[in-house]
Amino acid sequence: GENVEQHPSTLSVQEGDSAVIKCTYSDSASNYFPWYKQELGKGPQLIIDIRSNVGEKKDQRIAVTLNKTAKHFSLHITETQPEDSAVYFCAASKWAGDSGYALNFGKGTSLLVTP
Amino acid sequence: DSGVTQTPKHLITATGQRVTLRCSPRSGDLSVYWYQQSLDQGLQFLIQYYNGEERAKGNILERFSAQQFPDLHSELNLSSLELGDSALYFCASSVRGGTDNYGYTFGSGTRLTVV
Repeated sequence: GENVEQHPSTLSVQEGDSAVIKCTYSDSASNYFPWYKQELGKGPQLIIDIRSNVGEKKDQRIAVTLNKTAKHFSLHITETQPEDSAVYFCAASKWAGDSGYALNFGKGTSLLVTP
Repeated sequence: DSGVTQTPKHLITATGQRVTLRCSPRSGDLSVYWYQQSLDQGLQFLIQYYNGEERAKGNILERFSAQQFPDLHSELNLSSLELGDSALYFCASSVRGGTDNYGYTFGSGTRLTVV
């Protein structure tokens, strides 16, 4: 099955700096790559996603890049703010048609943004 | 409020017991997914249901079972509980396939403590 590796496990940056989280996946058939943010005491929340026919996607301060050849994808957060502090999860899956799909998650990155 | 409702929020029970976790998906979502989150294992996929039928199985123990009812709510049954079953259990739902929105919506989870 799909194996998703995520690095680093913890990341500390100063407010205003950029943060980068990297993931690799094993199944070349995977075609959907979302990123989730989990705040303390809450469920994960989708923040951005990318499909395999796209190399990069940006939404304000957040961007995701995908390298299908190398089977890795990354989350970039620019101009970080204290409220960006949370655990971030990457995931990968193969779209399974109308019935949906099962996401395979990385183990998470705990991001701390210090003022 | 994400629209996915999980009950109860907290559950404390003894080893050997059986518990049932409940999930109501977001209105219109046909797929329900169950995940287990523990500190060292991240988010582990357990099982997926689509419109009442089991569609995918992950690392779900034989002591665990699930079902999705005609009204689309789902229940996860955990039996012969062990200390190692203590974790956060999340339910997520997703929109029907064929749309551009592939993202999961997670509930806020049920924290299970086995003593």
